[in-house]
Amino acid sequence: DAGITQSPRHKVTETGTPVTLRCHQTENHRYMYWYRQDPGHGLRLIHYSYGVKDTDKGEVSDGYSVSRSKTEDFLLTLESATSSQTSVYFCAISEEGGTTHYEQYFGPGTRLTVT
Amino acid sequence: QQPVQSPQAVILREGEDAVINCSSSKALYSVHWYRQKHGEAPVFLMILLKGGEQKGHDKISASFNEKKQQSSLYLTASQLSYSGTYFCGTDSGSARQLTFGSGTQLTVLP
Repeated sequence: DAGITQSPRHKVTETGTPVTLRCHQTENHRYMYWYRQDPGHGLRLIHYSYGVKDTDKGEVSDGYSVSRSKTEDFLLTLESATSSQTSVYFCAISEEGGTTHYEQYFGPGTRLTVT
Repeated sequence: QQPVQSPQAVILREGEDAVINCSSSKALYSVHWYRQKHGEAPVFLMILLKGGEQKGHDKISASFNEKKQQSSLYLTASQLSYSGTYFCGTDSGSARQLTFGSGTQLTVLP
């Protein structure tokens, strides 16, 4: 299994508070991604990173920011949490090479509830 | 734009076959398939590249029709362990971003 951890695994927070989720990898992979998963929508990309301090927006980036100061860590911040951001958040990593061609490996997920 | 998966759900008996389809309105560079069990993370199954051959993984195989922008996942002689939600992820060539379908829930009964 790819070495990806997410913290916290569960969090309940109140509307309007900032929240930071952490993704940590031990694989030294270049690419890191944040997705949210909601019933009926599958996985939707929030932000991704292609290197230290190199990030870009995904499909549903409004209300979220990210930072990557080290290869192994990718942080997702909800600047002011809203109930619509209640979701399961998955981090993923990928690396191009050989025949694998950037398959993505997912972390265990963080279940966030905004009340 | 999100690829369309069909069917949304399928129930079958152990040993039966199933096909899951994934269709996109965009030209595709590659298609990825993942399986997710309840409460767990998605797990990579296989990737199909433009111009590549059909892939296989145990009794699970897939095809990619570039002209029709479609991919199909074939599960042969289903096992109980095949139960879960299957997602296709499509890549239209933009910086390793995948766009995932909404999933197909597969239930295999004994």
